[in-house]
Amino acid sequence: DAMVIQNPRYQVTQFGKPVTLSCSQTLNHNVMYWYQQKSSQAPKLLFHYYDKDFNNEADTPDNFQSRRPNTSFCFLDIRSPGLGDAAMYLCATSRDIPNQRFFGPGTRLTVL
Amino acid sequence: GEDVEQSLFLSVREGDSSVINCTYTDSSSTYLYWYKQEPGAGLQLLTYIFSNMDMKQDQRLTVLLNKKDKHLSLRIADTQTGDSAIYFCAEILTGGGNKLTFGTGTQLKVEL
Repeated sequence: DAMVIQNPRYQVTQFGKPVTLSCSQTLNHNVMYWYQQKSSQAPKLLFHYYDKDFNNEADTPDNFQSRRPNTSFCFLDIRSPGLGDAAMYLCATSRDIPNQRFFGPGTRLTVL
Repeated sequence: GEDVEQSLFLSVREGDSSVINCTYTDSSSTYLYWYKQEPGAGLQLLTYIFSNMDMKQDQRLTVLLNKKDKHLSLRIADTQTGDSAIYFCAEILTGGGNKLTFGTGTQLKVEL
């Protein structure tokens, strides 16, 4: 089945220690998104890749970076995680932007 | 504006119908979505409606759209315990770079 896969499902890191979250997709969608969802809140878009073009949201902290080495993979890098970065991180894909997003299961990040 | 609001909590008895409501402020939305999120999981797309439609039915789910009042609702018939989750409405705004904007989420609790 075509799908969006996120690894790992649970990630624990230490305060200030860089961490990378992974997303892959078999849908061959050209757009990939990263959302941050804190407890009891709606998902918040961090950035997205339209093909190879990176689009950052204005309020996304510089601490958050992303890489998309090919169509199938997209990574979220947190350079120096703070306690406030503990959240669920959701990856999503779509074929072009107006169309529906397909979400992965998420990675729950804990910062100690 | 991009505010999308939902009531925070809804409790129903198993077998009853659930109605989850959503109001939005931006009339330039094209697609409106309902997502379901179970504890610790990603977002599952339940259904969607195009902005030129008034109603869409899909098995136990009925979506009603009142564009005049900017009101969207999701009715779940014969609600089951497996329907307990958080439900997010979301809209894509043509005037906002086709950004997907989520509502605040409604926690549905189904009691026996």
